[in-house]
Amino acid sequence: SQTIHQWPATLVQPVGSPLSLECTVEGTSNPNLYWYRQAAGRGLQLLFYSVGIGQISSEVPQNLSASRPQDRQFILSSKKLLLSDSGFYLCAWTGGLAGINEQFFGPGTRLTVL
Amino acid sequence: DQQVKQNSPSLSVQEGRISILNCDYTNSMFDYFLWYKKYPAEGPTFLISISSIKDKNEDGRFTVFLNKSAKHLSLHIVPSQPGDSAVYFCAASPFFNKFYFGSGTKLNVKP
Repeated sequence: SQTIHQWPATLVQPVGSPLSLECTVEGTSNPNLYWYRQAAGRGLQLLFYSVGIGQISSEVPQNLSASRPQDRQFILSSKKLLLSDSGFYLCAWTGGLAGINEQFFGPGTRLTVL
Repeated sequence: DQQVKQNSPSLSVQEGRISILNCDYTNSMFDYFLWYKKYPAEGPTFLISISSIKDKNEDGRFTVFLNKSAKHLSLHIVPSQPGDSAVYFCAASPFFNKFYFGSGTKLNVKP
């Protein structure tokens, strides 16, 4: 069966510090991968999605970036965090070429920028 | 500009009664719709979906209705149980690479 991992689970970082969040998927090949952010009291905002290695589509211009160095690995980064980057970050996957249409989410990372 | 809207931020229902959660969308290119359930500090879990070629899909206590002309979908939970208390998100997709989520409705089922 497929599983999705995210780490760390929680993170507290000072303003201006770098960020690296990692997401990995097991049990499937060629998934579509997604990064979302849920800010306090708000819905899910799509940040990035990827349909293959090295392919990144950005939905929201900001100081975040994403990379997909391997088929089942998706990384969210920032060189300098802002207070507004605080939130709950979720990684998700769909089956892509496997034809699984529903998105499956990881457990999330709670990021607090102070 | 939000393409998927859930206008009710919260809903309170008595145990055993029906819960109806609503969702509206603006993009006529959306052809696949999903509902997710989310507990605090956890990722959303997939609940039920519907393709635009259908107007109803049922799975146990959960039924999703789609009204394409009104660009409206709803999730019915019958009977509601206290364990159903969570935030419910609807999502829509124009193709299977991108999904747009509503802002969520917090359901509270009272015992």
